[in-house]
Amino acid sequence: EDQVTQSPEALRLQEGESSSLNCSYTVSGLRGLFWYRQDPGKGPEFLFTLYSAGEEKEKERLKATLTKKESFLHITAPKPEDSATYLCAVQPKTSYDKVIFGPGTSLSVIP
Amino acid sequence: EPEVTQTPSHQVTQMGQEVILRCVPISNHLYFYWYRQILGQKVEFLVSFYNNEISEKSEIFDDQFSVERPDGSNFTLKIRSTKLEDSAMYFCASSGTEQETQYFGPGTRLLVL
Repeated sequence: EDQVTQSPEALRLQEGESSSLNCSYTVSGLRGLFWYRQDPGKGPEFLFTLYSAGEEKEKERLKATLTKKESFLHITAPKPEDSATYLCAVQPKTSYDKVIFGPGTSLSVIP
Repeated sequence: EPEVTQTPSHQVTQMGQEVILRCVPISNHLYFYWYRQILGQKVEFLVSFYNNEISEKSEIFDDQFSVERPDGSNFTLKIRSTKLEDSAMYFCASSGTEQETQYFGPGTRLLVL
């Protein structure tokens, strides 16, 4: 069964304290892996798409990496405005449409 | 920057009533999706829609649900007879192709009493 897990469930960082969020996935062939940011009561906001192991994408303080079994979202010198829930999602090759979401990591960055 | 919009932002209804949730996808996108998120739970896929027909649906998307693209801009989700467990945030998403990134709207919070 296709599955996505994320760790930790919640993370509290001091402003400027870098860290990484983990996304582990089990799918029957990976079409793509996505990272989204979700603020409370809002829709997921697209951050990155990764397609193959070894691929990396960067945007401001965020960097996403992909291996055959997991993806990491590295946050460098976070600011309070980075506080949100970060969602990982995968699109398996068995489906052209469905995206399977993980439970998310709730990040709080304290000034 | 183009974005997906959804109306209403909040909807309160009585159990057994019909509701229609509306979405305006990004204008040049061809693939449309509905997801739901029960409070505190994962975002779950409901259905995808392309070329005026359903492409894929999940086991959640049973006979009480239907989708429609009534005109060139709107995409709707109808729940025929709402149940208490239908209370959730419903997100519409769209993509340019089936393999491209899906962009999500802000959601409609549905509360069934």
